[in-house]
Amino acid sequence: EIVMTQFPATLSLSPGESATLSCRASQSLSSNVAWYQQKPGQAPRLLIYGAATRATGIPARFSGSGSGTEFTLTISSLQSEDFAVYYCQQYDDWPLYTFGQGTKLEIK
Amino acid sequence: QLQLVQSGAEVKKPGSSVKVSCKASGDTFSNSAFSWVRQAPGQGLEWMGGIIPVFGTTYYAQTSQGRVAITADGSTSTVYMELSSLRSEDTAMYFCARHLTGRYFNSWGQGTLVAVSS
Repeated sequence: EIVMTQFPATLSLSPGESATLSCRASQSLSSNVAWYQQKPGQAPRLLIYGAATRATGIPARFSGSGSGTEFTLTISSLQSEDFAVYYCQQYDDWPLYTFGQGTKLEIK
Repeated sequence: QLQLVQSGAEVKKPGSSVKVSCKASGDTFSNSAFSWVRQAPGQGLEWMGGIIPVFGTTYYAQTSQGRVAITADGSTSTVYMELSSLRSEDTAMYFCARHLTGRYFNSWGQGTLVAVSS
């Protein structure tokens, strides 16, 4: 099973700042990595797929990058609605999907 | 855009079973795959398993093997997840998600809370 490790577990930033969230895979992947945002009481929402492609309707301040075992979600100029929990997911090892444990982005 | 609507919250006794439904509408059910993901209170997302309805093929996480059964009914565009031998640790929100085979999850149901308590 491919293990996805996210860090940091919690990130405290102020609106207007930029956020960098990291996700490390236990083995090298192709670009089959997705990022999801989850707010309290809601289902996750797809942000990024293919490591770097924004899903429909996702603002340009969200960007994804990475390859091999290291993947990054960057949120530039944080808005109040961006404070949430973010999960990475690998779908390279289909049909065995795995998620990272999440990074909580909180207001400083 | 595919819409997924799940069944309502359940309260179950330890040792019993629960069956959660997820009805799809608005897109082609037959060209989709579906997965079930659970989230214990305050915890992260755990993929449990999935199904490709057109083939009836199912896949399960190792931790789900033996207690989870995922089925689909094409006539009603509904996917089901049945979890047996419930224990308190199964208390969680259960989400269904739609995806193409081997791809990311692009639609999610609203979640179904299953509480296991004596």
